[in-house]
Amino acid sequence: DAGITQSPRHKVTETGTPVTLRCHQTENHRYMYWYRQDPGHGLRLIHYSYGVKDTDKGEVSDGYSVSRSKTEDFLLTLESATSSQTSVYFCAMAAAGVNNEQFFGPGTRLTVL
Amino acid sequence: AQSVTQLDSHVSVSEGTPVLLRCNYSSSYSPSLFWYVQHPNKGLQLLLKYTSAATLVKGINGFEAEFKKSETSFHLTKPSAHMSDAAEYFCVVSDPSWGKLQFGAGTQVVVTP
Repeated sequence: DAGITQSPRHKVTETGTPVTLRCHQTENHRYMYWYRQDPGHGLRLIHYSYGVKDTDKGEVSDGYSVSRSKTEDFLLTLESATSSQTSVYFCAMAAAGVNNEQFFGPGTRLTVL
Repeated sequence: AQSVTQLDSHVSVSEGTPVLLRCNYSSSYSPSLFWYVQHPNKGLQLLLKYTSAATLVKGINGFEAEFKKSETSFHLTKPSAHMSDAAEYFCVVSDPSWGKLQFGAGTQVVVTP
């Protein structure tokens, strides 16, 4: 968890409302990632960033958008939350590309009622 | 396409006995392989990684894994389980052509006294 934080850590919201999760890192790492964790699925990549303003989709990107205006911050937005987006969300960072260790944040537990 | 299969969703061991977590992968390219551990309500932490150097990889906390290309396996072992090893373990494969990580579904390890 060193050098990477997530906020909020827990959130309960209602269907149809927008939600933004924040990931903040202090390591000046180039790569940042958003994953969701669901039982039986491991972690699945939502979106990732390979630099400021440079982002790309992962395998489960529908219903999510991201922004990275500064190296240290990577925001995940659910434009209109649905119950299927109830999950634990993890942010990760890496100094270099996919063959390198990713460092994970502590997670955000999101419940959509 | 790449995929990761963790052959056991749950493993229960007695303290002091060996631990074996099984992982098979498929990849169109020479992959990098990782094992991550997640303790309850925590983010993921890297245990070890294989990146085409030595096939026997040593990690933290006494864990090691052997890459066997002929069997497309990357099993994780530890000679003697400790109570602190109780956690969920993820086998992960990266494929530079795809540029992302693919996580297995996870193996929950329970250690009994």
